[in-house]
Amino acid sequence: TQLLEQSPQFLSIQEGENLTVYCNSSSVFSSLQWYRQEPGEGPVLLVTVVTGGEVKKLKRLTFQFGDARKDSSLHITAAQPGDTGLYLCAGSTSGTYKYIFGTGTRLKVLA
Amino acid sequence: DVKVTQSSRYLVKRTGEKVFLECVQDMDHENMFWYRQDPGLGLRLIYFSYDVKMKEKGDIPEGYSVSREKKERFSLILESASTNQTSMYLCASSLWGTGHNQPQHFGDGTRLSIL
Repeated sequence: TQLLEQSPQFLSIQEGENLTVYCNSSSVFSSLQWYRQEPGEGPVLLVTVVTGGEVKKLKRLTFQFGDARKDSSLHITAAQPGDTGLYLCAGSTSGTYKYIFGTGTRLKVLA
Repeated sequence: DVKVTQSSRYLVKRTGEKVFLECVQDMDHENMFWYRQDPGLGLRLIYFSYDVKMKEKGDIPEGYSVSREKKERFSLILESASTNQTSMYLCASSLWGTGHNQPQHFGDGTRLSIL
């Protein structure tokens, strides 16, 4: 069974701090997606990474796919209260319709 | 704007009842999914469908069934609700093709409580 472990599970930081969230697996994925979910809403896609070693930036968010395509990280620079939410990674294997979701990291940024 | 609509935001049912959760998407997507979300467990796939009348079991199909009679509508059925099915249920859709690179669009969820 493919599993995606995220760490940390919870994170509470002050506005302006930097943070990194990790998504790890023993399985290889063809692509990996990151979603953010706010209270009372469904997850919304932030980014998809498909190549080992790939780095993508979305304003203050930097996403990296591991060289072996088994892990990924999300780094937020100068966090803001608007970054508060549940961050989920999801891995996909070519040839399947299924996505495997990580356990989630709940981030709270205090003003 | 793309939209996935789940019929109820909150639902309270009794043990043993047959429960229907409805999901409609307006994006003409071929793939549709039902997940449940529980704290510390992330999203777990219950069932998915890649075409009308087609369905495949996900990781936790026990106690659930699905129906897809029209492309835009995917229903989740709890045959005989039990308290361990109390959860947040999320519906999602994506374009045709295998999961690789296809983003999923989610509804806002149905919080179901079984008493």
